[in-house]
Amino acid sequence: GESVGLHLPTLSVQEGDNSIINCAYSNSASDYFIWYKQESGKGPQFIIDIRSNMDKRQGQRVTVLLNKTVKHLSLQIAATQPGDSAVYFCAENYSGGYQKVTFGIGTKLQVIP
Amino acid sequence: NAGVTQTPKFQVLKTGQSMTLQCAQDMNHEYMSWYRQDPGMGLRLIHYSVGAGITDQGEVPNGYNVSRSTTEDFPLRLLSAAPSQTSVYFCASSYGGGRDTQYFGPGTRLTVL
Repeated sequence: GESVGLHLPTLSVQEGDNSIINCAYSNSASDYFIWYKQESGKGPQFIIDIRSNMDKRQGQRVTVLLNKTVKHLSLQIAATQPGDSAVYFCAENYSGGYQKVTFGIGTKLQVIP
Repeated sequence: NAGVTQTPKFQVLKTGQSMTLQCAQDMNHEYMSWYRQDPGMGLRLIHYSVGAGITDQGEVPNGYNVSRSTTEDFPLRLLSAAPSQTSVYFCASSYGGGRDTQYFGPGTRLTVL
């Protein structure tokens, strides 16, 4: 049968509610973090980024929070809509690894109408 | 702008066959990358390029070759396909490499029998 590792963590939220997607990163030297959204059958799409000199950054309906002490990122989506259903990835980069972005496995967000 | 385009969208190969996955971008980005995406794993970097004539290996380069003769194009070659190369392949481009927003193509789903 399939390995448990093949199943993405899934978050189910009611339409209109707020969503919080969490991500733990691995490299304490990472200083640039990005959230991507990937819809079924498509390539990842940039949502928002944050650099390590910030704790919080807001975009349109999205907020990213960075806690460097515990190496944790979160993506908050306000008033979740059916179009937000997708897989969300966090990614990290450090200044010494110019092109080397490390991606998480992703979280699947399911919006219940 | 078309952004990042990839061809083909789907491909089935037999073990030992060779093929080239095409990638092109019209945003005049210097930095281009190839990733593979497998179930339960984050995107993994295969090869990248920081400009025409310059390429380097990523995390999982074995079995793949690249070249960059123009700013626009960054083909990925499989010299002798193996079942372990069954995956979805994404090409990405950016102004600032991993320190900047990456724009992804729609992907190529490759199956090696």
